[in-house]
Amino acid sequence: DTAVSQTPKYLVTQMGNDKSIKCEQNLGHDTMYWYKQDSKKFLKIMFSYNNKELIINETVPNRFSPKSPDKAHLNLHINSLELGDSAVYFCATTRGPTGELFFGEGSRLTVL
Amino acid sequence: AQSVTQPDIHITVSEGASLELRCNYSYGATPYLFWYVQSPGQGLQLLLKYFSGDTLVQGIKGFEAEFKRSQSSFNLRKPSVHWSDAAEYFCAVGAGIQGAQKLVFGQGTRLTINP
Repeated sequence: DTAVSQTPKYLVTQMGNDKSIKCEQNLGHDTMYWYKQDSKKFLKIMFSYNNKELIINETVPNRFSPKSPDKAHLNLHINSLELGDSAVYFCATTRGPTGELFFGEGSRLTVL
Repeated sequence: AQSVTQPDIHITVSEGASLELRCNYSYGATPYLFWYVQSPGQGLQLLLKYFSGDTLVQGIKGFEAEFKRSQSSFNLRKPSVHWSDAAEYFCAVGAGIQGAQKLVFGQGTRLTINP
């Protein structure tokens, strides 16, 4: 069983479209995250949810809307996709503020 | 605000040679420090972490790191690298926020191993 699973792994779409990436974790952790890794491999936190409550929102454009239906799921919806949104998006989870981050394998988004 | 600098973007070493990857951080309080490794097409995996106590921490795959507060550094070392160590290595500094962990990553160091 994969601890943190993301779907889809690859996503190619046109500018202006809306797309979603889903994340599920089976570790029983309370806290989930979305990170963005750009083409230069720079990794930056976008959002964090703790038990379905938004805790961290790192000045991400409001075209990005995370949703946590329960503490095992954190989905990322992106409206009006732009070229600069092309990146690898990683979902991650921790048991608390000092625990190890468990990452999914990433979802590579390409906007044409 | 936290920040992390990894001065070396790319390092090449020969198999069997020793390795040191540099990491400098900036953080006002006692930092939580981490090293993660990313293999191509994969997510990140934790190598080791420092929260407090002994400043020399041991991790998986034979890696260790030393926290030096006076130098604001947390360098990663391995006495003898293997071809399978070729990957991207990320240093990170973390802060707890309301039950969540805000990690700030360095730019990464790509490690190439020569046979």
